[in-house]
Amino acid sequence: EVQLVESGGGLVQPGGSLRLSCAASGFTFSDHYMDWVRQAPGKGLEWVGRSRNKANSYTTEYAASVKGRFTISRDDSKNSLYLQMNSLKTEDTAVYYCARVDSYAFDFWGQGTMVTVSS
Amino acid sequence: DIEMTQSPSSLSASVGDRVTITCRASQGISNYLAWFQQKPGTAPKSLIYAASSLQSGVPSKFSGSGSGTDFTLTISSLQPEDFATYYCQQYQTYPLTFGGGTRVEI
Repeated sequence: EVQLVESGGGLVQPGGSLRLSCAASGFTFSDHYMDWVRQAPGKGLEWVGRSRNKANSYTTEYAASVKGRFTISRDDSKNSLYLQMNSLKTEDTAVYYCARVDSYAFDFWGQGTMVTVSS
Repeated sequence: DIEMTQSPSSLSASVGDRVTITCRASQGISNYLAWFQQKPGTAPKSLIYAASSLQSGVPSKFSGSGSGTDFTLTISSLQPEDFATYYCQQYQTYPLTFGGGTRVEI
């Protein structure tokens, strides 16, 4: 059974940093691209970024709203995906989901972790 | 960026109704279109990819169609568990973008 479990959310002040993790199980993590998607309270879904797999050199893509502030990484030996968030802004407040990519589309999602940026 | 426009933004329906949701892309995306269902307080669930292919385990009452710029999601016979918000998403071009959502309610 595919499982994605996010962790690391919490309350952080504007300008601060936070690192989210996504623990994967039930599939060969190293084969898949993995993405982060967020959802601000009461709002729609917003794509954050992507980590390609080893076969594609672990390259990454980012939304313009987070580029230069957020960094996506992964550790295939730990079946884990990470989102390092720096210079956080109040508008980064959201539930952050990790999602597995298969045939270029999302097929499985984690349950999400809440990040609140507030003073 | 490719803008995804869903209509309607909300709709009221009854159990047993056939429901159709439309998604329009601001430029052609071939069939790189997915649909998701989200219930309050829960993560999105993937329903359809490649515009018309059902994800594993998704019941056949859900169907998708379209190509290029115009797409539809149809629920053939609405059941109580189908009341939710539905999102389309294009994955042809970065940044990946979502529609604003369609809330299906009683």
